[in-house]
Amino acid sequence: EVQLVESGGGLVKPGGSLRLSCAASGFTFSNAWMNWVRQAPGKGLEWVGRIKSKTDGGTTDYAAPVKGRFTISRDDSKNTLYLQVNSLKTEDTAVYYCTNQDCSSTSCYTGYFDYWGQGTLVTVSS
Amino acid sequence: SYELTQPPSVSVSPGQTATITCSGDKLGDKYACWYQQKPGQSPVLVIYQDSKRPSGIPERFSGSNSGNTATLTISGTQAMDEADYYCQAWDSTFYVFGTGTKVTVL
Repeated sequence: EVQLVESGGGLVKPGGSLRLSCAASGFTFSNAWMNWVRQAPGKGLEWVGRIKSKTDGGTTDYAAPVKGRFTISRDDSKNTLYLQVNSLKTEDTAVYYCTNQDCSSTSCYTGYFDYWGQGTLVTVSS
Repeated sequence: SYELTQPPSVSVSPGQTATITCSGDKLGDKYACWYQQKPGQSPVLVIYQDSKRPSGIPERFSGSNSGNTATLTISGTQAMDEADYYCQAWDSTFYVFGTGTKVTVL
């Protein structure tokens, strides 16, 4: 059974930082592309960024609103994905979901997310 | 930037067919997928690669994609299908979600 468990959310002041984590199990983490997707309260889904598997270069891409402030990394030895969020703004307030693209299926190369975690809430407020 | 537009809401009677559209420039040239999100829950993939259903998704969910529009169809809609639905596409670098559609089963 695939499990994605996010942690690290909380209340932070504007300009502050947090590191979110996503513990993965039930699939070959090292062979997966991993993403962060966020959802502001009462709003729709917004892709934040992706890190490819090391086999595919381990490269990252980010959505324009977070580029330069957010950094995605992975530790394949711990089956864990990270999101370092810096220079937080009130508009970054959202539930942050971890999602996987298992490259043993077609998801990596046709662009869909196989599974989602339960999310962790980040609230940016003074 | 690329945009996907969905109707804000769709209402359907139990047992009838719900049709949700997703519009984007030349969307038919990309793969579209759909997620279902019930209140307080995480999204779940219901259609991928335009028309394929993941294991465990009922046959009443189907999809198509052509021209500028992808469509999610729920045949014989049940009360449990009441949820928000989001389309999503990928341009090989960026992932884009639709604006979301709330399906109400009256």
